[in-house]
Amino acid sequence: AQSVAQPEDQVNVAEGNPLTVKCTYSVSGNPYLFWYVQYPNRGLQFLLKYITGDNLVKGSYGFEAEFNKSQTSFHLKKPSALVSDSALYFCAVRDTGSGGGADGLTFGKGTHLIIQP
Amino acid sequence: ETGVTQTPRHLVMGMTNKKSLKCEQHLGHNAMYWYKQSAKKPLELMFVYSLEERVENNSVPSRFSPECPNSSHLFLHLHTLQPEDSALYLCASSHLTGPDTQYFGPGTRLTVL
Repeated sequence: AQSVAQPEDQVNVAEGNPLTVKCTYSVSGNPYLFWYVQYPNRGLQFLLKYITGDNLVKGSYGFEAEFNKSQTSFHLKKPSALVSDSALYFCAVRDTGSGGGADGLTFGKGTHLIIQP
Repeated sequence: ETGVTQTPRHLVMGMTNKKSLKCEQHLGHNAMYWYKQSAKKPLELMFVYSLEERVENNSVPSRFSPECPNSSHLFLHLHTLQPEDSALYLCASSHLTGPDTQYFGPGTRLTVL
């Protein structure tokens, strides 16, 4: 079984400050990890993913995430937050050992990111 | 969001109605998914179609009936729903191979009265 935890319901950051949105995961094999963002009344928009290799993954809109195998974490980061980054952020995982073919993702419950001007 | 489209964007229905949600992907993918997003709950995977065949059904009630006539289209037929079925229904698509990213449509906001 695979699972994702996003321990914070909401993160508040002042504009221009660095931001971190936390995610931890549990899988039986190795993980594929994803971050998505959702703006109000919109679908989920892909930000970045970790497959293998470099632990620091760079994605859209200046976001990056760091894969830490020993801590089973995949925190989302950005060096300088913008007001327009305010949205709902989801971490998702898929176990590489889940077999071939299409597999659904397991999502965390989401973290509301609020960037204050 | 033009890669995956969903219609209608909003739907209000009574418990005795029959309606259908439509999803279309323009990305050349061969796997499609239905997810349910309820308030204060994680996204729930409902159905997975791979090469137009259903490969996963996460114990979804029979009042939800999916249909995948081809690799570009996915439907969710709704019948005698309950008020607790009110949610945002999201469609996604991906390639079959490897850790391919799932791309989501904008969703259909369903309200069951």
